[in-house]
Amino acid sequence: DAGVIQSPRHEVTEMGQEVTLRCKPISGHDYLFWYRQTMMRGLELLIYFNNNVPIDDSGMPEDRFSAKMPNASFSTLKIQPSEPRDSAVYFCASSSWDSISYGYTFGSGTRLTVV
Amino acid sequence: AQTVTQSQPEMSVQEAETVTLSCTYDTSESDYYLFWYKQPPSRQMILVIRQEAYKQQNATENRFSVNFQKAAKSFSLKISDSQLGDAAMYFCAYRSAQNAGNMLTFGGGTRLMVKP
Repeated sequence: DAGVIQSPRHEVTEMGQEVTLRCKPISGHDYLFWYRQTMMRGLELLIYFNNNVPIDDSGMPEDRFSAKMPNASFSTLKIQPSEPRDSAVYFCASSSWDSISYGYTFGSGTRLTVV
Repeated sequence: AQTVTQSQPEMSVQEAETVTLSCTYDTSESDYYLFWYKQPPSRQMILVIRQEAYKQQNATENRFSVNFQKAAKSFSLKISDSQLGDAAMYFCAYRSAQNAGNMLTFGGGTRLMVKP
């Protein structure tokens, strides 16, 4: 398996624009997590899905953020409109129930810069 | 809610020496998992070592070992024979074995510098 695949690796956008981050989890994993990493706040869980259903989105900072998982092999995190304070590294990670002792497998992250 | 605390924002070690990174956590659960992740400048999150709370024996992976003190809720990482490639951010993480969501809760991280 190629692991968790995120795209793009880097994204630079202007304030007010829509940004879409993409994630392909490991095949067979039934949990998918979106994290945001900043210097000030560290790693924050934004939302997670189980079997494509959003379970907990309490970490989503504002209504400008939305996430979807239309099928088991694809998820998106959208920011509309984007603001400079959204600049961060966004990680996607996946896991399966029968391997919970093994933690997550992370993607390489997307570094988002909003200017 | 569980919390994970890493009290050392930065640590440095001489190449070939040993260094210990500290981690404490707070939980009311008895069954859980603990992890150490490494994040090098490439920003990839890499699992270094894990520990099941029900196991008394400390986990070991080559030069990496942990000191797990369940009663004290302490989970430190020891790196022996430090190498330049060990320089990275290290994150301690907690995961419930019971909670259906099984989210990882991370500490704030410790930046490890290795001096040649």
